[in-house]
Amino acid sequence: KQEVTQIPAALSVPEGENLVLNCSFTDSAIYNLQWFRQDPGKGLTSLLLIQSSQREQTSGRLNASLDKSSGRSTLYIAASQPGDSATYLCAVLALSGSARQLTFGSGTQLTVLP
Amino acid sequence: DAGVTQSPTHLIKTRGQQVTLRCSPKSGHDTVSWYQQALGQGPQFIFQYYEEEERQRGNFPDRFSGHQFPNYSSELNVNALLLGDSALYLCASSFGPVRAGDTQYFGPGTRLTVL
Repeated sequence: KQEVTQIPAALSVPEGENLVLNCSFTDSAIYNLQWFRQDPGKGLTSLLLIQSSQREQTSGRLNASLDKSSGRSTLYIAASQPGDSATYLCAVLALSGSARQLTFGSGTQLTVLP
Repeated sequence: DAGVTQSPTHLIKTRGQQVTLRCSPKSGHDTVSWYQQALGQGPQFIFQYYEEEERQRGNFPDRFSGHQFPNYSSELNVNALLLGDSALYLCASSFGPVRAGDTQYFGPGTRLTVL
């Protein structure tokens, strides 16, 4: 059974800092890995999707890496801003039975202090 | 282009009651997946509907059931509500069952509180 773990559970940083969020998964047989952002009480917004054959993806100040063999991914946020405050969720797409299924971590709650 | 929509936004029920949640997928999408997100946890997969059939199911009891209509919209039904069913219920849509290069688009969710 696929399990996804995110560390740390919560993080508070001053504005302007660069930061790294970590995600690990137990089964390396994945199709892709995604990072999502969730604002309080809201739905999920996809930030980056890394295919299993890729090593990283970049979007603006965000960079996500994937090391499938070790079951790890990191989300790097450069020059953090108060508007980055949210919960960041990592999810892997893998085969479950005969169908593909997304398995999520519990998230990292990020607070960027002005 | 409308994204994924869900109704209602919030719902309060008492133990033992039944509830129906609704989801309309993003335009052009034909597959709907439902997730349950308890407070402080990541979303847990409930089931996925494609071509009006339940194609895949997570580890949820039969009290959780669903339906997909010809216009691809979907309903999630929960019978005999328990306090532990209190959660944010998220709907996600995609074109076809989720493929390696695809992302699912999530709705804003329905917050269910069971008293």
